[in-house]
Amino acid sequence: DIQMTQSPSSLSASVGDRVTITCRASQSITNSYLNWYQQQPGKAPQLLIYAAFNLQSGVPSRFSGSGSGADFTLTISSLQPEDFATYYCQLGFSPPSTFGQGTKLEI
Amino acid sequence: QVQLQESGPGLVKPSETLSLTCTVSGGSLSIYQWSFIRQSPGRGLEWIGSIYDSGTTNYSPSLKSRVAMSVDTSRNQFSLKLRSVTAADTAVYYCARHCRYGDYEGAFDIWGQGTMVTVS
Repeated sequence: DIQMTQSPSSLSASVGDRVTITCRASQSITNSYLNWYQQQPGKAPQLLIYAAFNLQSGVPSRFSGSGSGADFTLTISSLQPEDFATYYCQLGFSPPSTFGQGTKLEI
Repeated sequence: QVQLQESGPGLVKPSETLSLTCTVSGGSLSIYQWSFIRQSPGRGLEWIGSIYDSGTTNYSPSLKSRVAMSVDTSRNQFSLKLRSVTAADTAVYYCARHCRYGDYEGAFDIWGQGTMVTVS
């Protein structure tokens, strides 16, 4: 099974900061099938980026994804107050599906 | 606007079967793939399995021996049964729709609000 490792596990930042979260797979991912989600406390995850760099409809353009092979990144260009949440990467094969352990973004 | 709603008991006894239903409103089960995903502090987000409206299923290898999913297109619902539960199955259970971008179905674009299930 392919394992997904996110770094860092937690991150402190301020409004207006540029933030990057990394997701590394234990082996190369075919066709860059890597997705990113945001989860607010008590809520379901919300899809941000699919297939490495495609912005989900309705998601602000300050979110972007990049990467290929086994290394992928989620970048938030200018943090807004509503962006403080937990972020997950997900191996996007169908099936099966594996999530990273999460990165908690805190003020 | 498609919405998903999980329903089922919030408390299940050890060794019994956990049963959940996901009702889809504002859209049809057709064409899409549908999944159950759970989340617990100890195991994080864990994909359980998926189903098409045809009834074709795929299950997580780690849960395959205990899981069964079914679909009822007349009620626009799909369901999960997890047998022989233990405390390790305590989690928030979500149902979710797979995206459909061309041939790509690997992301979950719509989620239910989640339901907490405790095994005790």
